[in-house]
Amino acid sequence: GDSVTQMEGPVTLSEEAFLTINCTYTATGYPSLFWYVQYPGEGLQLLLKATKADDKGSNKGFEATYRKETTSFHLEKGSVQVSDSAVYFCALSDPGGSYIPTFGRGTSLIVHP
Amino acid sequence: EADIYQTPRYLVIGTGKKITLECSQTMGHDKMYWYQQDPGMELHLIHYSYGVNSTEKGDLSSESTVSRIRTEHFPLTLESARPSHTSQYLCASSGAPGTGELFFGEGSRLTVL
Repeated sequence: GDSVTQMEGPVTLSEEAFLTINCTYTATGYPSLFWYVQYPGEGLQLLLKATKADDKGSNKGFEATYRKETTSFHLEKGSVQVSDSAVYFCALSDPGGSYIPTFGRGTSLIVHP
Repeated sequence: EADIYQTPRYLVIGTGKKITLECSQTMGHDKMYWYQQDPGMELHLIHYSYGVNSTEKGDLSSESTVSRIRTEHFPLTLESARPSHTSQYLCASSGAPGTGELFFGEGSRLTVL
């Protein structure tokens, strides 16, 4: 079945550092890929998405590129802020399948001033 | 802006009580989901629905039950709460065909004493 593997956290960075959170996936079809963010005390919200190979999703300075050849969707940001401290979830959804999304385990990001 | 609402946000109750967590969405989405989020942040799908009168159990066995009598409403009920039910419960919906994007509520944090 489908699966998503993302790097374990917590990831601890200083403000303005470069961020990478790795995400790889296994899927039988041609899934859409997502990054969700969960701020403390809140539900998840969509950060960015990509629906086909080589697509780049971007939002709020975050980017991720759908790499079919390496089955990856790594999240990057050039300069993190304290306000980016949150938990980040990589996910996939197979449009031709059950529509039940598959989530990674989440990666906690802590940004210090 | 997503229009999906959960009540209560926080609930502390004693063992043996019956509780219902409410989830409503105003987007007309067919698909709705309940996730249980453990302290390690991982999301576990406990129930989902493809539409009115459709309910299915998710990957994680749960003693809770759900109903879907109206498109916009997907309540979760625990007949007899126990301390092991203490957790964060997240409701989500999805409607756009082919994307798999989820919209989440802010969550209901349940504590059973």
